[in-house]
Amino acid sequence: AQSVTQLGSHVSVSEGALVLLRCNYSSSVPPYLFWYVQYPNQGLQLLLKYTTGATLVKGINGFEAEFKKSETSFHLTKPSAHMSDAAEYFCAVRGNFGNEKLTFGTGTRLTIIP
Amino acid sequence: EAGVTQFPSHSVIEKGQTVTLRCDPISGHDNLYWYRRVMGKEIKFLLHFVKESKQDESGMPNNRFLAERTGGTYSTLKVQPAELEDSGVYFCASSQDLRSANEQFFGPGTRLTVL
Repeated sequence: AQSVTQLGSHVSVSEGALVLLRCNYSSSVPPYLFWYVQYPNQGLQLLLKYTTGATLVKGINGFEAEFKKSETSFHLTKPSAHMSDAAEYFCAVRGNFGNEKLTFGTGTRLTIIP
Repeated sequence: EAGVTQFPSHSVIEKGQTVTLRCDPISGHDNLYWYRRVMGKEIKFLLHFVKESKQDESGMPNNRFLAERTGGTYSTLKVQPAELEDSGVYFCASSQDLRSANEQFFGPGTRLTVL
């Protein structure tokens, strides 16, 4: 079975400050890991994903995440927050071929303070 | 290229009524998924179609939920009769094929409120 834990349902950072959203996962097989973002009144949009290879993954809008197998973590970071980053962020894991469903965390709502 | 579309965007019904949600995937996408988010909780998988066949329906909560994908194009999710606990946002997603880590594209969701 797979599971995802996102620490902090609400995170507030000042504009220009570092954004760090935490995600830990549990998986019995090598995982595929994803971060999705949901802006108000929109669907989920893929920010980035880890499949194999390089453990530091770069995504859209300046976000990146690092897969750390020893810590079972896939934290999302951005060096400098922008007002437009205010949204809800979801970490998700899926298994290999034959188990394509995504298992999501509970989400983290990011607020940017001007 | 049009994205995944869902209809309606909002639905408010009374307990015991029937509601049908529709999802139109991206053209050419064989895989279609339904997910649900109950308020304050995680987004949970409901089921997965490959073309018109149900590949995995392990997340369907009970037999009040019926999903169909006739002809392998759009899909409907019917709730009959609706209960209070069915309230939430229902998301549809599609992907092109089953290659590993192929991206699932999500629609905007249907917000269902059962009174």
